[in-house]
Amino acid sequence: QVQLQESGPGLVKSSETLSLTCTVSGGSINSYYWSWIRQPPGKGLEWIGYIYYSGSTNYNPSLKSRVTISVDTSKNQFSLKLTSVTAADTAVYYCAREGTVTKKFDYWGQGTLVTVSS
Amino acid sequence: QSVLTQPPSVSAAPGQKVTISCSGSSSNIGNNYVSWYQQLPGTAPKLLIYENNKRPSGIPDRFSASKSGTSATLGITGLQTGDEADYYCGTWDSSLSAGPVFGGGTKLTVL
Repeated sequence: QVQLQESGPGLVKSSETLSLTCTVSGGSINSYYWSWIRQPPGKGLEWIGYIYYSGSTNYNPSLKSRVTISVDTSKNQFSLKLTSVTAADTAVYYCAREGTVTKKFDYWGQGTLVTVSS
Repeated sequence: QSVLTQPPSVSAAPGQKVTISCSGSSSNIGNNYVSWYQQLPGTAPKLLIYENNKRPSGIPDRFSASKSGTSATLGITGLQTGDEADYYCGTWDSSLSAGPVFGGGTKLTVL
């Protein structure tokens, strides 16, 4: 059974960089798109971006200038960096696996709340 | 403002049937598979339906879905109190920077 687990600071100061890592267990990170998705408190889901195991990436145009997603296949991990954060970036951040053909998000991490403080 | 449009809320009594709509365009629903996700309070979203109408292993057949043109619909029959959750539709959008998009979510209340 594939499992994903997010890790990283739960509190980030405004204007600084948010950094999270997702560790994949129970399966290889090879193949599939590996995504970051966030959910502000009380709001809906917003896709941030994905990375393919080869390193190719695709980002949400609304966040593209501030986002970097990287992968470490040797550790079965992928990571998110979001720069110049503001209070609007406060959200639960999920990592998830997406099928390259079916485009379904079939495995999700439990999510981690990141709060941006002023 | 979400790319896909869902009603904010729906409600029905236990045992009844409810449907949730998801409206998009030719650049997303019209030419891509639709998935549905169930998010119980305080938990991560869970895949409910994929490829428009397929259920993953373990999802009861009380959950069904369909797609027609640029819209999709999720149906839930034999409602249970445990079905109270937020439901999201999702698909791929092929415009500009192609990538996944979601509806705004629909809160289901089982009265």
